[in-house]
Amino acid sequence: GAGVSQSPSNKVTEKGKDVELRCDPISGHTALYWYRQSLGQGLEFLIYFQGNSAPDKSGLPSDRFSAERTGGSVSTLTIQRTQQEDSAVYLCASSRWPRGLAEQFFGPGTRLTVL
Amino acid sequence: SQQGEEDPQALSIQEGENATMNCSYKTSINNLQWYRQNSGRGLVHLILIRSNEREKHSGRLRVTLDTSKKSSSLLITASRAADTASYFCATTTIQGAQKLVFGQGTRLTINP
Repeated sequence: GAGVSQSPSNKVTEKGKDVELRCDPISGHTALYWYRQSLGQGLEFLIYFQGNSAPDKSGLPSDRFSAERTGGSVSTLTIQRTQQEDSAVYLCASSRWPRGLAEQFFGPGTRLTVL
Repeated sequence: SQQGEEDPQALSIQEGENATMNCSYKTSINNLQWYRQNSGRGLVHLILIRSNEREKHSGRLRVTLDTSKKSSSLLITASRAADTASYFCATTTIQGAQKLVFGQGTRLTINP
């Protein structure tokens, strides 16, 4: 079946603009994760969704970042008033179970560049 | 912040040789996973080892886990040019079982 897909693959925006990044997880996967990868910080966890439970937002770096998951499937990560330090590759992953016993399947990522 | 460190940061070997990468972590873990990343984009899961396991094999991959030393190693035998990539270890902790905490990664280059 299809893997995790993300759109857009690349996004260039101006400082101060809002951006939305989309993730389509693998069908049937109940858990969805967002990570970001930057030169300075490496790979960092941002947020985790599992079914109807409240999301784990402990990795979001500021209140400019938010995410939602509609219908237990597609997720959107929104960054408001983007800053240059938000430039990174944003990776989405999904897994079959909620707990850390299962592997996570990653999408190709969205490369965000804030000018 | 990162859970731990990987060693070496970069490794360059000849095709056919074995490659060994090490990963250390700081807190108690639920499991440890290794991922490969090509060209700075999506990660591919390679192998998962649970905290109560000491060694695991998958094809040319061998992973060991020493929870007393809070360390793991990934061995790739008979390396191929296609193995050139960055390799990351990632842990899930008992407290935060859902999220992966990644190491800094090892950049592996296989020379033909």
